[in-house]
Amino acid sequence: EAQVTQNPRYLITVTGKKLTVTCSQNMNHEYMSWYRQDPGLGLRQIYYSMNVEVTDKGDVPEGYKVSRKEKRNFPLILESPSPNQTSLYFCASSLGANQPQHFGDGTRLSIL
Amino acid sequence: EDQVTQSPEALRLQEGESSSLNCSYTVSGLRGLFWYRQDPGKGPEFLFTLYSAGEEKEKERLKATLTKKESFLHITAPKPEDSATYLCAVRAGYTGTASKLTFGTGTRLQVTL
Repeated sequence: EAQVTQNPRYLITVTGKKLTVTCSQNMNHEYMSWYRQDPGLGLRQIYYSMNVEVTDKGDVPEGYKVSRKEKRNFPLILESPSPNQTSLYFCASSLGANQPQHFGDGTRLSIL
Repeated sequence: EDQVTQSPEALRLQEGESSSLNCSYTVSGLRGLFWYRQDPGKGPEFLFTLYSAGEEKEKERLKATLTKKESFLHITAPKPEDSATYLCAVRAGYTGTASKLTFGTGTRLQVTL
């Protein structure tokens, strides 16, 4: 089954404790992206990757890092999380930048 | 800066009562406009892509249209299972920024019996 898998689905942690949210897709997609979704603000793009070793900033990249060492994986790293990063996070992938995106089911992060 | 505005924020319809959702955009160099549906607790699910003014796409009770400034998602004779949040997104730009996707805040649709 074609899918985008995020882990963990839920996480409660404390300020400053480094965390990684993993994202994996099994569709051989070149384009992958991370979004955060907040009430009243909608989905905002954090980082995207056009292919292996090619990443670029979206609209809200501050406080986040990404890497794309393999085509299927695109982890999101919060090196020093802060409470304003409490949000619902989605990973997505597509064949190309202008193709429909397939989304994971989301990761709900709470940073205390 | 690209802007995408969706209206209304929320819409309540009775089963069978047709209506339209609006997505207006201000961008430089539209590369594509996307409609997604999002159910509670789930990631967005792709519905349509529109690339140029005048284009229309249909799927079951949904029809998406595009002009140079806005897109409409028409829902004909909706059923309760059409209840969801509908999201509009645009990709625009002439260079590497064309790889960014900007979403609107969505329209929350509720269809009652």
